[in-house]
Amino acid sequence: GDSVTQMEGPVTLSEEAFLTINCTYTATGYPSLFWYVQYPGEGLQLLLKATKADDKGSNKGFEATYRKETTSFHLEKGSVQVSDSAVFFCALCPYNFNKFYFGSGTKLNVKP
Amino acid sequence: EAQVTQNPRYLITVTGKKLTVTCSQNMNHEYMSWYRQDPGLGLRQIYYSMNVEVTDKGDVPEGYKVSRKEKRNFPLILESPSPNQTSLYFCASAPSRESGRADEQYFGPGTRLTVT
Repeated sequence: GDSVTQMEGPVTLSEEAFLTINCTYTATGYPSLFWYVQYPGEGLQLLLKATKADDKGSNKGFEATYRKETTSFHLEKGSVQVSDSAVFFCALCPYNFNKFYFGSGTKLNVKP
Repeated sequence: EAQVTQNPRYLITVTGKKLTVTCSQNMNHEYMSWYRQDPGLGLRQIYYSMNVEVTDKGDVPEGYKVSRKEKRNFPLILESPSPNQTSLYFCASAPSRESGRADEQYFGPGTRLTVT
């Protein structure tokens, strides 16, 4: 069945460091891929998405590219800030838009 | 303000005492869903609804019921809660397929449930 696997955390970085959070998926067909962010005490917010192979989603300095050949959707940011500290979830949605599958989440701590 | 609301935000109850967590959205979304979030397991889908009177099971439906009598509301019912249902619950909604954004979910703030 469909599933998402993402790197375990927590990830601790200093401000202005480069961020990569790995995400790989298993799915039939061509799913849409997402990164959601959860700030402390809040619900999830859509950060970015990509709907087909080689698409790049981007938002707030974060980027992720839909790689069908490696079934990956790694999240990157060139220079993290303290305000980026949150839990990040990779997710997929099959082509029929009914069920959604989430990874286990990766907590990011950014220190000044 | 466009939003998904959940009530209550926090609930402590005892085993076997029926409870309902309400979810309401004001965006005229067709799709609604319930998730539970547990450490190390991420979010797991409990039930979802593609439209009024249409509901279907997610990955972890056991012990839960839902109903979708109106487009804006999607309550989650625990008929006989057990301690293994202690979790953080999220409701979400998404636009129709015709909008081209049917895969973009909007999440509520969460309900932390403790069953003793």
